Amino acid sequence: EAGVTQFPSHSVIEKGQTVTLRCDPISGHDNLYWYRRVMGKEIKFLLHFVKESKQDESGMPNNRFLAERTGGTYSTLKVQPAELEDSGVYFCASSQALGQPQHFGDGTRLSIL
Amino acid sequence: GQQVMQIPQYQHVQEGEDFTTYCNSSTTLSNIQWYKQRPGGHPVFLIQLVKSGEVKKQKRLTFQFGEAKKNSSLHITATQTTDVGTYFCGMEYGNKLVFGAGTILRVKS
Repeated sequence: EAGVTQFPSHSVIEKGQTVTLRCDPISGHDNLYWYRRVMGKEIKFLLHFVKESKQDESGMPNNRFLAERTGGTYSTLKVQPAELEDSGVYFCASSQALGQPQHFGDGTRLSIL
Repeated sequence: GQQVMQIPQYQHVQEGEDFTTYCNSSTTLSNIQWYKQRPGGHPVFLIQLVKSGEVKKQKRLTFQFGEAKKNSSLHITATQTTDVGTYFCGMEYGNKLVFGAGTILRVKS
């Protein structure tokens, strides 16, 4: 069984540019989560999809962040325009159901210059 | 909002010594999950505790869930160099995991 895959693994962009991160969850996992870890700090929840619906986006920092999961399969997280404080590692995770263990991808390391 | 406190932030032990990390929640939890992240890697699920007072073991790792379901601990007996990494507790509030800040474990051989 393939795990959660994320693309790209690294992204370096300049402030003001746009970046789109992609996550492919484990097949059959309806629940998809985005998290972010800023250097040395805790892993922070961004949002949660159940299939194509956003269940909770309370962790999204601001309206420069847009997450989608059209068709309920893969998800994208777009940052536009990127700011310096957006740098960090963005993790995607998926689970079969609420309360079940979450399986994480390798993350996308985003650096804003 | 939900608050999760995890201590210590960092521990450096001699190989063979024991290690413990603790998590505390401000509210009662439905369950708690533990994850390990190796340097440069991603969080990997270790275990989930659901019942009040539950104790689970995985080889040298012992996980406990408090009676009030507000705290939990992970204890490693006789650490090995393969144990290095950051250990996170993840507390489930509704439909999301709120993670502790993590405890970084370094093991000197």
